[in-house]
Amino acid sequence: EAQVTQNPRYLITVTGKKLTVTCSQNMNHEYMSWYRQDPGLGLRQIYYSMNVEVTDKGDVPEGYKVSRKEKRNFPLILESPSPNQTSLYFCASSTQRGASPRFYNEQFFGPGTRLTVL
Amino acid sequence: AQTVTQSQPEMSVQEAETVTLSCTYDTSENNYYLFWYKQPPSRQMILVIRQEAYKQQNATENRFSVNFQKAAKSFSLKISDSQLGDTAMYFCAFLIQGAQKLVFGQGTRLTINP
Repeated sequence: EAQVTQNPRYLITVTGKKLTVTCSQNMNHEYMSWYRQDPGLGLRQIYYSMNVEVTDKGDVPEGYKVSRKEKRNFPLILESPSPNQTSLYFCASSTQRGASPRFYNEQFFGPGTRLTVL
Repeated sequence: AQTVTQSQPEMSVQEAETVTLSCTYDTSENNYYLFWYKQPPSRQMILVIRQEAYKQQNATENRFSVNFQKAAKSFSLKISDSQLGDTAMYFCAFLIQGAQKLVFGQGTRLTINP
């Protein structure tokens, strides 16, 4: 089954304790992104990656790091989480290649990670 | 910068009625895509419908259709014969062709009442 997986689904942590949220896709997509969702603001892009070892900042990158060492994985790292990073996080992947153009640019989302920083 | 505005924070209709969710966007680009996503209580983001800006014909997917007005930069979603399972948050989103950032609106919380 084609899918994007995220772990953990729920996480409660304390200020300053480093954490990583993993993301993996099995569709061989070249593009991957992280978004955060906050009430009244919709989803905003944190970081994105166009391929292995190629990453760039989105709209709200402060306090986050990412890496793309393998095509299928795109972890989100919070080196020193703060309460304002309490949010719902989504990983997504997409492609502009392949035999099905109707899926080009469609972002496939993971199930979300609910993060609470105390 | 591109922006997407959903002016209806909440809507509520009776089952089987038709409901229209509004969305406007701002861009100077000519080639882009527009999407409506549904987010039920499970929080999963589910693509409802997409529209390529170069296509004049409005997209339809079963009970879901859009009214795409490119000159007015408007992209509304019509849900016909609404069902209880349509209860969800709905997000309008915009993507420039060749870019990899979806720009989302604030969302509209839709409730279908029995």
